[in-house]
Amino acid sequence: NAGVTQTPKFQVLKTGQSMTLQCAQDMNHNSMYWYRQDPGMGLRLIYYSASEGTTDKGEVPNGYNVSRLNKREFSLRLESAAPSQTSVYFCASSDNRGLTEAFFGQGTRLTVV
Amino acid sequence: TQLLEQSPQFLSIQEGENLTVYCNSSSVFSSLQWYRQEPGEGPVLLVTVVTGGEVKKLKRLTFQFGDARKDSSLHITAAQPGDTGLYLCAGNTGGFKTIFGAGTRLFVKA
Repeated sequence: NAGVTQTPKFQVLKTGQSMTLQCAQDMNHNSMYWYRQDPGMGLRLIYYSASEGTTDKGEVPNGYNVSRLNKREFSLRLESAAPSQTSVYFCASSDNRGLTEAFFGQGTRLTVV
Repeated sequence: TQLLEQSPQFLSIQEGENLTVYCNSSSVFSSLQWYRQEPGEGPVLLVTVVTGGEVKKLKRLTFQFGDARKDSSLHITAAQPGDTGLYLCAGNTGGFKTIFGAGTRLFVKA
């Protein structure tokens, strides 16, 4: 029982490159989320998916796109990476509205140079 | 813009000491969570509080939700090195958008 699995764990990109962060959960949760964590700023919501087939913007969606591929998988895409997107990215899932009982992945540390 | 302010930002104490960290906002929350995060890992949920004035205990950790549901505190009794980590509070106003505080980084020295 892996919980929430994110890949890759580390990535270095050049400015302008694109990449997709993958996330999968095996808990049959309805809701999935992407957050970024920056020093001194806590976690900020990028996008979320309340249920399979729906996605919505969070607090900081600019420069990102998401796909809820099925109930298990929720991916985050950076189309043209910028240094401001250097961060640690976390995927989370929950069976309830608003992360009441949430499980997080181990994170992806992304550096854009 | 909703904000959750946590204090202190950093705390370094000796094993066996007690401590309290605070989480404050001007917003009213329908629920509030506390998480602990260790280096290189994702946050792990410790507790959820939903009722104003609610107190929950988890071994040596005591969590309290303010009467007005705008603030919360986490008290640790007789801290141990294993308590070291980043403690995050997170508040939800009823939708899917939960806001996080910046965290309190706790270091417990043996």
